[in-house]
Amino acid sequence: QQQVKQSPQSLIVQKGGISIINCAYENTAFDYFPWYQQFPGKGPALLIAIRPDVSEKKEGRFTISFNKSAKQFSLHIMDSQPGDSATYFCAAGPGTSGSARQLTFGSGTQLTVLP
Amino acid sequence: GAVVSQHPSWVICKSGTSVKIECRSLDFQATTMFWYRQFPKQSLMLMATSNEGSKATYEQGVEKDKFLINHASLTLSTLTVTSAHPEDSSFYICSARRTAGVGYNQPQHFGDGTRLSIL
Repeated sequence: QQQVKQSPQSLIVQKGGISIINCAYENTAFDYFPWYQQFPGKGPALLIAIRPDVSEKKEGRFTISFNKSAKQFSLHIMDSQPGDSATYFCAAGPGTSGSARQLTFGSGTQLTVLP
Repeated sequence: GAVVSQHPSWVICKSGTSVKIECRSLDFQATTMFWYRQFPKQSLMLMATSNEGSKATYEQGVEKDKFLINHASLTLSTLTVTSAHPEDSSFYICSARRTAGVGYNQPQHFGDGTRLSIL
């Protein structure tokens, strides 16, 4: 019940294209859904996050779409650039109700944007 | 933005030695810090939750006597890998959450990790 399933495992996109990464969760207690970007040899960096009271959140070229009934959320990267090439992790966690407020991470997606 | 500093970034040592990794929140207070382990091309595995002024909470399967965690202040948590062996070689990452009032979920901010290599 704690799993967060992420797909695809790897993704190759042409420069200027749209990158789409999907995640699904099981625990209905989750109400905080961040996405992290990780470059090799670095720690994950928070990219964008959403709470289930909205269905979409956009920050620059990055958009999260959230479907509460399906327990799914996705990251869209518009106008993908070679500099976006990294590993992306979705995560989910309890919001105000969780005492430890831990995050459960997806398995990661290796994104390669071709020049 | 929030900054979490992790030190050292890379350490190589002989089998049997103990290694201490520091995690500092530089511009905010963190009641809770988390320690993760990450193998190449894999996701982050939560090892333990570190709470300031109290004992850490370890995830199932993580040896608390092997991985000692101390969170003595609101800006510093340390992970000590005791009597390290080659199988302990990994990328260790900490994260910190800004202390906030009840009812508000603050994001986790990650350090840049420590690559531990045990010979």
